[in-house]
Amino acid sequence: DTGVSQNPRHKITKRGQNVTFRCDPISEHNRLYWYRQTLGQGPEFLTYFQNEAQLEKSRLLSDRFSAERPKGSFSTLEIQRTEQGDSAMYLCASSLIRGTGANVLTFGAGSRLTVL
Amino acid sequence: SQQGEEDPQALSIQEGENATMNCSYKTSINNLQWYRQNSGRGLVHLILIRSNEREKHSGRLRVTLDTSKKSSSLLITASRAADTASYFCATPLTGTASKLTFGTGTRLQVTL
Repeated sequence: DTGVSQNPRHKITKRGQNVTFRCDPISEHNRLYWYRQTLGQGPEFLTYFQNEAQLEKSRLLSDRFSAERPKGSFSTLEIQRTEQGDSAMYLCASSLIRGTGANVLTFGAGSRLTVL
Repeated sequence: SQQGEEDPQALSIQEGENATMNCSYKTSINNLQWYRQNSGRGLVHLILIRSNEREKHSGRLRVTLDTSKKSSSLLITASRAADTASYFCATPLTGTASKLTFGTGTRLQVTL
């Protein structure tokens, strides 16, 4: 297992374009999370999946953002009509939740988005 | 919203010195975790302390938790240049298996 993989690592796009990020979690993990991180700040929660079900979405996630996790495997995060304020690092993390165990996240290296 | 807040925001020390960073949080928790992030990379889990624990050690790391003050500290002993990174505390918003919320981070610089 090579850990959590994110692609692309860097994306530069013009305002108004759509972008899609992909995350491949650790295969046996049942939870997958998306976070956004801007310079000098901690990661901010966007959304998470348990298997293929999207269980929670942050209010930060506007209608232009959509995430999917078909078949409970990889996930995609799409941003439509990008704005300069969308420029950030998009982090994916996965975890294996068993019963009432603690939720320890394994992060990918992130996808950095720059909107011109 | 961010549950935790680290202090100081930035810390610069020399190699061999100890580094202490603090985290305060707002609501009751079942556990608290610390993560490290090297520049431009993802976060790496360092250590987890449960609410019924007061202190925990892992190698050169020592974590304390004071639930009455809603605070935690991370001590890195005998720091090395490779410890240069940002350090974040993370807490579940509700329950043990809830999503984690992260603090604002402490940026540690270890110089030779």
